[in-house]
Amino acid sequence: GAVVSQHPSRVICKSGTSVKIECRSLDFQATTMFWYRQFPKKSLMLMATSNEGSKATYEQGVEKDKFLINHASLTLSTLTVTSAHPEDSSFYICSARKASDLFNEQFFGPGTRLTVL
Amino acid sequence: AQSVTQPDIHITVSEGASLELRCNYSYGATPYLFWYVQSPGQGLQLLLKYFSGDTLVQGIKGFEAEFKRSQSSFNLRKPSVHWSDAAEYFCAVGIPSGNTPLVFGKGTRLSVIA
Repeated sequence: GAVVSQHPSRVICKSGTSVKIECRSLDFQATTMFWYRQFPKKSLMLMATSNEGSKATYEQGVEKDKFLINHASLTLSTLTVTSAHPEDSSFYICSARKASDLFNEQFFGPGTRLTVL
Repeated sequence: AQSVTQPDIHITVSEGASLELRCNYSYGATPYLFWYVQSPGQGLQLLLKYFSGDTLVQGIKGFEAEFKRSQSSFNLRKPSVHWSDAAEYFCAVGIPSGNTPLVFGKGTRLSVIA
């Protein structure tokens, strides 16, 4: 299989605090992970592409200083929402691509619901 | 750049009726094509995928999709819908080779009525 986990599944925090979300590929190595944001009843919006051992590539309009991404190993990428505000409340989903994949298939995590009070 | 269009925002189907969800893509060559389903508050579950070969693809939960190159379409079908199929459905396109993310359509919300 190809399982991707996210932790935590839900988090509630106060405005101004930072929150870290982990994305792990449990049974494969992922050279690339993608972070998406999803607003209620909307599609997925790509935030950034995370490559192991290098800096993440952010999509236009995504503040890289606010959404810090680290991909320190072949099985773990983290997204840190710094100084979170209520408008950062959303559903964050990661996906991972196998290092050996020829078909660009991506495997999705179950998502993290962030609520900023 | 590739793009995906799901023309139907919301579809309501009676339980037991057939279903077809439309997906059109824009890409200069044959892309990789995916259908995902998302239940409220959940992540995405892959229903089926097309890479090459037979253009009629079978997936999980009784779903199938047909790739039609001439129409740039990859419509999802199910012969008999169950109430548990009510969810959001996303079509996605990927570029063969290349470390690029999938491009998603805006989704189609399926409601199932008795």
